[in-house]
Amino acid sequence: DVKVTQSSRYLVKRTGEKVFLECVQDMDHENMFWYRQDPGLGLRLIYFSYDVKMKEKGDIPEGYSVSREKKERFSLILESASTNQTSMYLCASSVALAGLNEQFFGPGTRLTVL
Amino acid sequence: AQSVAQPEDQVNVAEGNPLTVKCTYSVSGNPYLFWYVQYPNRGLQFLLKYITGDNLVKGSYGFEAEFNKSQTSFHLKKPSALVSDSALYFCAVRVRSGNTGKLIFGQGTTLQVKP
Repeated sequence: DVKVTQSSRYLVKRTGEKVFLECVQDMDHENMFWYRQDPGLGLRLIYFSYDVKMKEKGDIPEGYSVSREKKERFSLILESASTNQTSMYLCASSVALAGLNEQFFGPGTRLTVL
Repeated sequence: AQSVAQPEDQVNVAEGNPLTVKCTYSVSGNPYLFWYVQYPNRGLQFLLKYITGDNLVKGSYGFEAEFNKSQTSFHLKKPSALVSDSALYFCAVRVRSGNTGKLIFGQGTTLQVKP
């Protein structure tokens, strides 16, 4: 079974803190994705990566950055957390040909910024 | 603009009755369409996809979806609902992004199946 794990299920941070969300997949997938999920808005893509050290902006990249130094790991960084970044963050991975193959999702990290 | 819409925030059905969760899309070129389900406190799980071929696609847990090009729809269906089908359902469509592709998700539909 494909496994996508996220470092925390729940996280509480203060405004202005630097926040790291980690995601690891164990199926040697080329593509990895970070989404945020908000009620009534569905999932919105923040960033994705189709290879090590490669990244592309998604639909809402402002206030976020990412890092992919190893194939299995994709990190989302909030340089200076703000209250409007309180959300559920979902990581996903898939084999190549992004968008044609199913994505496998982690359990999510619910981030609260106070 | 390329988009996907789920017109119903919530769908309520009685156990044993057929269910339909609606999805419409707007993309340029051939559409590649997906359904995902999210059970409470869980990540999303893939249900089924339409890439090409037969308009009726069968997926996991007895779900199926019908691709209708003229109506630009991809409705999710199940002949007989179970209480355990209660969950949040997302439709998604692939769009091109640079040299690759990405998914755009609808806003989600909560399915409530009552005993």
